[in-house]
Amino acid sequence: GQQLNQSPQSMFIQEGEDVSMNCTSSSIFNTWLWYKQDPGEGPVLLIALYKAGELTSNGRLTAQFGITRKDSFLNISASIPSDVGIYFCAGQPGGSQGNLIFGKGTKLSVKP
Amino acid sequence: DTAVSQTPKYLVTQMGNDKSIKCEQNLGHDTMYWYKQDSKKFLKIMFSYNNKELIINETVPNRFSPKSPDKAHLNLHINSLELGDSAVYFCASSFFDRENEQFFGPGTRLTVL
Repeated sequence: GQQLNQSPQSMFIQEGEDVSMNCTSSSIFNTWLWYKQDPGEGPVLLIALYKAGELTSNGRLTAQFGITRKDSFLNISASIPSDVGIYFCAGQPGGSQGNLIFGKGTKLSVKP
Repeated sequence: DTAVSQTPKYLVTQMGNDKSIKCEQNLGHDTMYWYKQDSKKFLKIMFSYNNKELIINETVPNRFSPKSPDKAHLNLHINSLELGDSAVYFCASSFFDRENEQFFGPGTRLTVL
């Protein structure tokens, strides 16, 4: 089946640093999404991207839908301790109702 | 509070038992989903329901059966539990025409002994 390759698998950074993570696919996706999961909680939608080339921000978070429609990245600027968690990319292949494919997640740790 | 809620939060049971996990959403959504997250945090969709109709069934064992009494509820019933069923199960919901924007519940951690 379709898979998303998300990297890096984990990151350990200092508070205040910028963070970048990305997701790639071997096939085209119509939608890219980024979710964050805190320990013991369900994933929460951060950013949704619907058009190739689209660049969208949500506070200190910025995400882009790659022009090839096979990749997306998420940047977090000036990280703070509450940014810790697991970040998941997700994509919806064309013609698949609600069938989100999730990446394996990037675990972010922020040292104060 | 408007949200997706699941009960129980934790479920520990013996192999071979039958158990159910309940999910309710008060967001007015018309589509609900069940996901399984394994020990490596990999999330995979199991089912979704829209207007009481199953619209996705990702080759999960038929021991798993979703039941939706109305569009605000989607319960997951599991027969003859196996060790490999141990995981965190998440319910989610969305509007049918915004299926990408799914709201997740807090999860149910199932441990089969």
